[in-house]
Amino acid sequence: DTEVTQTPKHLVMGMTNKKSLKCEQHMGHRAMYWYKQKAKKPPELMFVYSYEKLSINESVPSRFSPECPNSSLLNLHLHALQPEDSALYLCASSQAAGRYEKLFFGSGTQLSVL
Amino acid sequence: AQKVTQAQTEISVVEKEDVTLDCVYETRDTTYYLFWYKQPPSGELVFLIRRNSFDEQNEISGRYSWNFQKSTSSFNFTITASQVVDSAVYFCALSDSAGANSKLTFGKGITLSVRP
Repeated sequence: DTEVTQTPKHLVMGMTNKKSLKCEQHMGHRAMYWYKQKAKKPPELMFVYSYEKLSINESVPSRFSPECPNSSLLNLHLHALQPEDSALYLCASSQAAGRYEKLFFGSGTQLSVL
Repeated sequence: AQKVTQAQTEISVVEKEDVTLDCVYETRDTTYYLFWYKQPPSGELVFLIRRNSFDEQNEISGRYSWNFQKSTSSFNFTITASQVVDSAVYFCALSDSAGANSKLTFGKGITLSVRP
């Protein structure tokens, strides 16, 4: 199984809503990532978890709250988002968090904030 | 600071044509890694290749080939006999010591359209 599964595929939320994005992998990978991608732009790193601990936070606003309940699961909790947060949110995993690692990506959650 | 430049933004070819996607990088490190990822319309980025800075051998995988030249800081990607399924956005990326924990610096991406 070489898949990274993300749910939901699409999400529409208002600025006062609270929602969560979910990501799952069963490849035994110990590093997991959240990326944000705006249309026609490259992905931008948001968070990195290594062995279930947050190792990188790219100065992401606190309205985005990541959580790694176990080595297979990664969540991104959303609260009080702004319309400019509308984007494709991609989850990825790798065997470890190292600069040589190849990343396995999910197909993303397309988020629209109204 | 590390940087990846993909000067081509959009390329359109007819099926069976060969096409080369250019990638130029900047880094102060002697040890670094270069990657190519493909992003089809379905959204997920798919890993294509990884090359470390000490391995300048060119690589061929089926219709895909990569030309790594340290002298010109380039890592170009050629698709031979392109097919409609090759239509996607292609990202070149760099990982060096300035970006610990597998932080990739992506180029802006090249949108490839292959017409039947």
